[in-house]
Amino acid sequence: DIQMTQSPSSVSASVGDRVTITCRASQGISTWLAWYQQKPGKAPKLLIYAAAGLQSGVPSRFSGSGSGTDFTLTISSLQPEDFATYYCQQANRFPFTFGGGTKVEIK
Amino acid sequence: QVQLVQSGSELRKPGASVRVSCKASGYTFTTHTINWVRQAPGQGLEYMGWINSNTGNPTYAQDFTGRFVFSLDTSVTTAYLHINSLKAEDTAVYYCARDRRYCPGGICEPTEFDSWGQGTLVTVSS
Repeated sequence: DIQMTQSPSSVSASVGDRVTITCRASQGISTWLAWYQQKPGKAPKLLIYAAAGLQSGVPSRFSGSGSGTDFTLTISSLQPEDFATYYCQQANRFPFTFGGGTKVEIK
Repeated sequence: QVQLVQSGSELRKPGASVRVSCKASGYTFTTHTINWVRQAPGQGLEYMGWINSNTGNPTYAQDFTGRFVFSLDTSVTTAYLHINSLKAEDTAVYYCARDRRYCPGGICEPTEFDSWGQGTLVTVSS
């Protein structure tokens, strides 16, 4: 199976900060990478598909980049509603594994 | 709008079985695969597998072969997850999720998941 490693596991930030989360795949996955946001007690929400595609309805402050094994999710200006846990997921090869998650907390 | 609505929380004893349903609406049911994802308490997301909504053919991740069964009833646009011989470690929230890719021919593997059910908590305890 392809292993997905996210870093950091948690980050403390303030409203207005720029936040960057990284995801590394154990082997090359081209741009078959998605990012999800999950708030407590809620289902995950798709933010980014195909490494850099912004899902409909998602604010433009979210962006994704990368290819091969290294990927980044950036929140350009953190808003109060962005405090959540973020997961990457590879869509290159079954089983479609998730990263361990990054919790974005209020500083 | 696309919506997946799952059945309510379940409490079962070890060794029992449970069925979780996932009712789809707002799109043509047979054109997008349905995936299942598990989340143990306080843990991350674990991909269980998927079912082809056109053919009903399931594919299971290695950790979910044997006791886990995916099925469909296209007449009521509903997917099901059956778990047999429940163990305490099966306690988790189970999500169904629709694949983003439009696949009218029904021969596509999943990619990303653009719509999720609200989750069903299955608790296994004696």
